[in-house]
Amino acid sequence: QQQVKQSPQSLIVQKGGISIINCAYENTAFDYFPWYQQFPGKGPALLIAIRPDVSEKKEGRFTISFNKSAKQFSLHIMDSQPGDSATYFCAAAYSGAGSYQLTFGKGTKLSVIP
Amino acid sequence: NAGVTQTPKFRILKIGQSMTLQCTQDMNHNYMYWYRQDPGMGLKLIYYSVGAGITDKGEVPNGYNVSRSTTEDFPLRLELAAPSQTSVYFCASSPRRGLAGGGANVLTFGAGSRLTVL
Repeated sequence: QQQVKQSPQSLIVQKGGISIINCAYENTAFDYFPWYQQFPGKGPALLIAIRPDVSEKKEGRFTISFNKSAKQFSLHIMDSQPGDSATYFCAAAYSGAGSYQLTFGKGTKLSVIP
Repeated sequence: NAGVTQTPKFRILKIGQSMTLQCTQDMNHNYMYWYRQDPGMGLKLIYYSVGAGITDKGEVPNGYNVSRSTTEDFPLRLELAAPSQTSVYFCASSPRRGLAGGGANVLTFGAGSRLTVL
């Protein structure tokens, strides 16, 4: 069973602080690592993604750090805001021929308090 | 564009009843998926389809059936509802590989259908 392990399960951060969510994967064939953001009552939506040929990708306040040798990747949210309060899922996929599935982590519920 | 539309949003079933969750997308995506989401368990893939007439099992297919007669529609059927099927169900779609960044791996999700089986 291919797995993506995500931690922590829940996270409380003060407004303006840094939120960090970590994920680890097992299958070295994975070559696409997205993060999805889900607000209550909504479906998940793609937030940011990275491929293993780079060690970091930044989009605004959101940064993915990727460590290929450790098979780990993490999401950093800088200057966290109450509007960032949501559940975050990491995922991994193999983008080669015949691959159609994302493997998701169990999710992290982030609460940013004023 | 509406994206991915799921109906119903909420449904309560009695044990043994059957029902169909509807999913339609207007983005001309080839790939469609059904996930279930349980608290603290993430998203588990039930079934997926790579095009009209082609479906395959995901991680947790037992108790469910799907069909894909058109590109737009991918209904999920529960034949004999059980309490273990109480969950939130998400339909998703993605384009052919090579388009839009990650291609087939860039999923657009619907808003979900919350099902309770009593």
